Amino acid sequence: DVKVTQSSRYLVKRTGEKVFLECVQDMDHENMFWYRQDPGLGLRLIYFSYDVKMKEKGDIPEGYSVSREKKERFSLILESASTNQTSMYLCASTLGLAGGPYEQYFGPGTRLTVT
Amino acid sequence: AQTVTQSQPEMSVQEAETVTLSCTYDTSENNYYLFWYKQPPSRQMILVIRQEAYKQQNATENRFSVNFQKAAKSFSLKISDSQLGDTAMYFCASTDYGGSQGNLIFGKGTKLSVKP
Repeated sequence: DVKVTQSSRYLVKRTGEKVFLECVQDMDHENMFWYRQDPGLGLRLIYFSYDVKMKEKGDIPEGYSVSREKKERFSLILESASTNQTSMYLCASTLGLAGGPYEQYFGPGTRLTVT
Repeated sequence: AQTVTQSQPEMSVQEAETVTLSCTYDTSENNYYLFWYKQPPSRQMILVIRQEAYKQQNATENRFSVNFQKAAKSFSLKISDSQLGDTAMYFCASTDYGGSQGNLIFGKGTKLSVKP
């Protein structure tokens, strides 16, 4: 079974702090994603990566950056955390084969609170 | 931009009854994939069912089945014999071929409560 893990289930940070959220997958997947989940807004894509050291902006990249130094690990960085970044953050990965099937496997999520 | 719409923010159903969750999508692609994901309270998001657009037959996984209407761009999820463990957020998703790498477009979700 594919396993996607995230470094923390719950995190509380102060405004202005630099925050690192780590995600690791164990199935040699090519593509990895970071989403933000807020009530009534569903899942919104922040960044994704389809190869080591490659990254692409999603729909809401402002205030975030990412790092993918190894294939299995994809990190989300909040350079200077703000209260409007309080949210649930979900990491996902997918095999990345051309033509599909493209189902994504999700981590358990990190609930981040910025005070 | 491609969109996925779930028109029912919340639904409830009695245990053992059947419920249908609605989803419509918008794509110009001829071949694509559609998914229903389930997110139980405080638990991980998991895949419930997948449909490939070029397949005419509706996908089925045990008590979960879909009604895929390609022309109408509709992809509803039917849950038969609802169980308390089906209480969850349900997200509909479609593949995004807008130059991306296996990205999915998600709806805003439907919160389903199964009542005893």
